[in-house]
Amino acid sequence: NAGVTQTPKFRVLKTGQSMTLLCAQDMNHEYMYWYRQDPGMGLRLIHYSVGEGTTAKGEVPDGYNVSRLKKQNFLLGLESAAPSQTSVYFCASRVGGAGEETQYFGPGTRLLVL
Amino acid sequence: GENVEQHPSTLSVQEGDSAVIKCTYSDSASNYFPWYKQELGKRPQLIIDIRSNVGEKKDQRIAVTLNKTAKHFSLHITETQPEDSAVYFCAASRTGGGNKLTFGTGTQLKVEL
Repeated sequence: NAGVTQTPKFRVLKTGQSMTLLCAQDMNHEYMYWYRQDPGMGLRLIHYSVGEGTTAKGEVPDGYNVSRLKKQNFLLGLESAAPSQTSVYFCASRVGGAGEETQYFGPGTRLLVL
Repeated sequence: GENVEQHPSTLSVQEGDSAVIKCTYSDSASNYFPWYKQELGKRPQLIIDIRSNVGEKKDQRIAVTLNKTAKHFSLHITETQPEDSAVYFCAASRTGGGNKLTFGTGTQLKVEL
């Protein structure tokens, strides 16, 4: 049981390049989330999904797209990377349902946009 | 939307002392309040949580208190140890709409020998 995993661990991009971050969970969780973490700003929600085939915008969705084609995977895409997207990206998942609010985080992806 | 404020941003205590971190929230419908600990370069990990139908919860050396009327909640760590040094985040969410967590900006706790 690997829990929540993220690929890649670290990536350097040039401005304008695109990339996809992969989040995978093997806990059969319904809900999945993408956050970014910047110094002094805590974690901010980018997009989230409440089930396979669904996605919704979070607090800071601009410049990102997501897809949840399979229940276990949640992809975060950057179509045209900008230096402002330099950050640490965390994925999280939770079971779903009342009383099961705990979110479990992946190890993070460190992204540097030059 | 929800807004969570966290204080202090940094906290330094002597080993064995107690540490208290405070958070306030704005959405009166919020009903779930977790605390996460994040060590340098690591993922956030849940250390304790509380729901709005409970005023206090304790787990060994850590405890959380909730005041719904004042819309604030606090993390208490007693008998601090060097391994408690980390960044602590509070968060709040409400039922529905994805149960989205809104995080505070974090508290860097340093436990000095």
